Amino acid sequence: KQEVTQIPAALSVPEGENLVLNCSFTDSAIYNLQWFRQDPGKGLTSLLLIQSSQREQTSGRLNASLDKSSGRSTLYIAASQPGDSATYLCAVLTQGGSEKLVFGKGTKLTVNP
Amino acid sequence: EADIYQTPRYLVIGTGKKITLECSQTMGHDKMYWYQQDPGMELHLIHYSYGVNSTEKGDLSSESTVSRIRTEHFPLTLESARPSHTSQYLCASSLQGIGVSGNTIYFGEGSWLTVV
Repeated sequence: KQEVTQIPAALSVPEGENLVLNCSFTDSAIYNLQWFRQDPGKGLTSLLLIQSSQREQTSGRLNASLDKSSGRSTLYIAASQPGDSATYLCAVLTQGGSEKLVFGKGTKLTVNP
Repeated sequence: EADIYQTPRYLVIGTGKKITLECSQTMGHDKMYWYQQDPGMELHLIHYSYGVNSTEKGDLSSESTVSRIRTEHFPLTLESARPSHTSQYLCASSLQGIGVSGNTIYFGEGSWLTVV
């Protein structure tokens, strides 16, 4: 059974810092891995999707990497801003998992002005 | 911005009541999903649909039921609510399957259900 773990559970940084969020998964047979952002009381917003054949994806100040063999992904946020404050969720789609994304519990990020 | 809407956003109901959570999307997406999320915990897929007249159960056992009579509408019903059903319910949709490269899944803002 696929399990997704995100470390740390919470992170507080000063504005302008570069930071890394970690995600690990137990079954390396995945189709893809996605990073989402969730603001308090809101739904999720898709940030980056990495197919299993890819090593990384970039969007603006965000860069996500995938090491499938070791079951790890990182989300790198450059020059963090207070508007980046949110919970960041990692989710994987396991091969043969149909439409069933498996989520981690998330990392709650606070960027202080 | 995603055109997917959930109502009600917040609801407090008594045990034993029947409740339907509504979800509608105007993007013409075939794939729709219901997730359940307790505070600080993972999202769990409880139901999904490939299109009209298609419904499937997700990974998390749920006493709720769903229907898909129209492409844009995917309501979730609890016939007899219990305190254990207290949670946030998130609806989502996508044009293609989650495994398709470049496909994006869009989420509604969620329905917070409290059963007392």
